[in-house]
Amino acid sequence: SQQGEEDPQALSIQEGENATMNCSYKTSINNLQWYRQNSGRGLVHLILIRSNEREKHSGRLRVTLDTSKKSSSLLITASRAADTASYFCATDAKGGGNKLTFGTGTQLKVEL
Amino acid sequence: KAGVTQTPRYLIKTRGQQVTLSCSPISGHRSVSWYQQTPGQGLQFLFEYFSETQRNKGNFPGRFSGRQFSNSRSEMNVSTLELGDSALYLCASSQGGYDTEAFFGQGTRLTVV
Repeated sequence: SQQGEEDPQALSIQEGENATMNCSYKTSINNLQWYRQNSGRGLVHLILIRSNEREKHSGRLRVTLDTSKKSSSLLITASRAADTASYFCATDAKGGGNKLTFGTGTQLKVEL
Repeated sequence: KAGVTQTPRYLIKTRGQQVTLSCSPISGHRSVSWYQQTPGQGLQFLFEYFSETQRNKGNFPGRFSGRQFSNSRSEMNVSTLELGDSALYLCASSQGGYDTEAFFGQGTRLTVV
């Protein structure tokens, strides 16, 4: 079963704009990880944020985590056409072992 | 450092057959997890192996099984295939401790006809 929802389900923006995706989850977590998937291929790991962290940056990516609201957001700045993909959040629940529970994903389309 | 390698990339099988998928984790990683991705159910956890032992299991029928070898390579087997088993099967590799990053392979696309 899905841990939670991602919002929006689909997002279409112009190249150079920023893209923000949100993820909500249901249980206490050890960490939350964001992944990118291009057209039915494998998942590319983007960033991991632990439950005791509030914000993390990696290149053009910025991730925030609010454990009180059980939510996270992924911001991609200055989007490029190559960023077109599906983005998933995945949570590693406390006591859940290494099992990741994925959100429903956001389909991002960046147009030239 | 080589990434996670899954073989084969594509498979077509007939209902009732069985299939074995293979995953080689990143060198030094001791945990391998398997996931099924379908349009209807999304990404779902199948099981995790660590040091040749199944450490965690998802809610899938017993037709889905796996194993891990001493070199950390893992295989997943699905017996008595059903049409609904058509999916992208993804393998994830991690160091083995809890609260660590999981890196995925390119997946095996299984089509059951």
